[in-house]
Amino acid sequence: DAGVIQSPRHEVTEMGQEVTLRCKPISGHDYLFWYRQTMMRGLELLIYFNNNVPIDDSGMPEDRFSAKMPNASFSTLKIQPSEPRDSAVYFCASSLNYEQYFGPGTRLTVT
Amino acid sequence: QQPVQSPQAVILREGEDAVINCSSSKALYSVHWYRQKHGEAPIFLMILLKGGEQKGHDKISASFNEKKQQSSLYLTASQLSYSGTYFCGTSSGAGSYQLTFGKGTKLSVIP
Repeated sequence: DAGVIQSPRHEVTEMGQEVTLRCKPISGHDYLFWYRQTMMRGLELLIYFNNNVPIDDSGMPEDRFSAKMPNASFSTLKIQPSEPRDSAVYFCASSLNYEQYFGPGTRLTVT
Repeated sequence: QQPVQSPQAVILREGEDAVINCSSSKALYSVHWYRQKHGEAPIFLMILLKGGEQKGHDKISASFNEKKQQSSLYLTASQLSYSGTYFCGTSSGAGSYQLTFGKGTKLSVIP
């Protein structure tokens, strides 16, 4: 299997712009997670889905953040409008039996 | 509540042993251990479920004491490839896939 796929790998954008991060989970996995990693706060869970349904989005920092999972093989995390404090590495992970497999991450820089 | 890991950083020579601790103020159902190398995604190492079991593979093992709400990761006869940041992720409910990660322990193995 190709593992979890994320795109883009790097994104540089200006404050106020919309950013969309994409994730393709491992086929057959029924859980999908979005994390954000920064030096200050570490690895934080933003939202997770089970069978394409959002289960808990309490980690989403603000209304500027939204996530969707229209089908079992695709999810997006959108930030609109983006701010410099959103700069971080965003990971997507998928899971079948508790073990979470992380994608390579998207490094987002908002200037 | 974020679990607390100790130590924050440790330097070992090849062949030496190390212990990384993870403690929580909340009752735990499971503890997950991950290793992350610089610029890469976290990689799953092992999961320990409520029951105080000990697990291991190769020269890396872990224990879980749910009464003390603590887990420890043991690395024996360390190899250069063990270098990286180790994270524990904890969940509080049976069947819960929602993990809260500690801030990590940076392990450096030198020749």
